[in-house]
Amino acid sequence: KNEVEQSPQNLTAQEGEFITINCSYSVGISALHWLQQHPGGGIVSLFMLSSGKKKHGRLIATINIQEKHSSLHITASHPRDSAVYICAVRSGYSGAGSYQLTFGKGTKLSVIP
Amino acid sequence: NAGVTQTPKFRVLKTGQSMTLLCAQDMNHEYMYWYRQDPGMGLRLIHYSVGEGTTAKGEVPDGYNVSRLKKQNFLLGLESAAPSQTSVYFCASRTRKGQTGVETQYFGPGTRLLVL
Repeated sequence: KNEVEQSPQNLTAQEGEFITINCSYSVGISALHWLQQHPGGGIVSLFMLSSGKKKHGRLIATINIQEKHSSLHITASHPRDSAVYICAVRSGYSGAGSYQLTFGKGTKLSVIP
Repeated sequence: NAGVTQTPKFRVLKTGQSMTLLCAQDMNHEYMYWYRQDPGMGLRLIHYSVGEGTTAKGEVPDGYNVSRLKKQNFLLGLESAAPSQTSVYFCASRTRKGQTGVETQYFGPGTRLLVL
C-alpha cells in the first residue's frame, strides 16, 4: 500500500507570501492529484499530473517521479486560498477495472490579511 | 448541471439503526465512488462502481453495502450502524479516461453522519 505523506500539516502565511506544500509517496505511481477542501467541506480537484509541471492561475504543481515527490506552490497568497490541500496518488488499476487513489492527510493553510 | 449531489446532508443514528445515503450525478459519468473522511486521516475508499449494475470493494468496505441500479445514482447502505461509522461521507464521480483524457473526480458536498 502506498504511503502518502504531506508536509507541513498546518501552515499560516501572511497575505502575499509564496507558499509551498509538499507531498511524498513510497511506491511508484502513474499519476498524482492535488485537491482543495474548502472550510465548508467541499472538495475540488486542482491538478492531475504524471510528470513535469502544471500551472493554473497562481497555483503551480510539480512532480519528480524519480524522487517520489510533488509540490504545490501558491504565488501571491490570498485569504481566499485558506483551505485544506490534499495530495492523492494513483497506483495503477485494480482488478475491477478502475484505479484507486490513496490520499494524504492534508495540509491546512491559513492566509492572514 | 447540479454536478454531484448527496442526500442527506446530516444525520444522527442510534447504534443498530440502518440508513441509506444517496449520491446522484447528472454528468453521465461511468465511475462513482464512496469515501469516508475521519479526523487525522486521509480520505478512504469504501466502495466504487465502474458502471451501472457493477460494484466493487475499496479499502474499508466492512459494514457497508452499495448498489448502482441506475447510472446516475450510487447508494451507500449501513445495515446496522456502529459508532465507528461516525464520519463524513463523500461521493465522487468521473468519466472514463478515454473519452476526455482527463481523470478529474467530481466530489459531492458530503454527508455528516453521527452514530450514537
